Amino acid sequence: QSALTQPRSVSGSPGQSVTISCTGTSSDVGGHNYVSWYQQHPGKVPKVMIYDVSKRPSGVPDRFSGSKSGNTASLTISGLQVEDEADYYCCSYAGDYPRVVFGGGTKLTVL
Amino acid sequence: EVQLVESGGGLVKPGGSLRLSCTASGFTFSTYTMNWVRQAPGKGLEWVSSISGTGTYTYYADLMKGRFTISRDNAKNSLFLQMDSLRAEDTAVYYCAREITGTTFWFDPWGRGTLVTVSS
Repeated sequence: QSALTQPRSVSGSPGQSVTISCTGTSSDVGGHNYVSWYQQHPGKVPKVMIYDVSKRPSGVPDRFSGSKSGNTASLTISGLQVEDEADYYCCSYAGDYPRVVFGGGTKLTVL
Repeated sequence: EVQLVESGGGLVKPGGSLRLSCTASGFTFSTYTMNWVRQAPGKGLEWVSSISGTGTYTYYADLMKGRFTISRDNAKNSLFLQMDSLRAEDTAVYYCAREITGTTFWFDPWGRGTLVTVSS
């Protein structure tokens, strides 16, 4: 099964906004509203930032938002902060087979 | 506190076997589907396998099918991954993660991971 497609890197300055895309197929991203986004700092455990396309777990700043159009989901981070610099992975439920698929990851650099 | 702690990683030769464990605490383990997700050095996250709360249903990524076996012991709040016929490309940190499902789908929390190194 193929991973979801994410840009390898994005960058922005503090205070700016960035958007990370995640493109799949009608079997995963497009077929279910079960896209989640994980933030991973170097050497750390992944942390969920967005689930079910656009929902934020408690404790996640509202600077993080998610959306979906067709087979492409997006994570937008507004008001960039230095501590947002990390790798971000999208993930989608994909039915009974292969059930779960991750994106290749996007490295966010805050300049 | 909800917590997952993996163990069992280490160095193994190609073709060898290893059994990973994940011990859960702070929640009713038997009511959750559990997952293994791995991350090769410097690479992205890759889903490995899932098992339903009762253990009835199991799912595997193509690359692991036939070589890896997921199981659980709900009496001991434990999740396992039996890995056979290991290859160099199986070298990775293996995380266990609780799946939040129902009318939703996401992973939380994740354990800290256990490193598996396949090398001669």
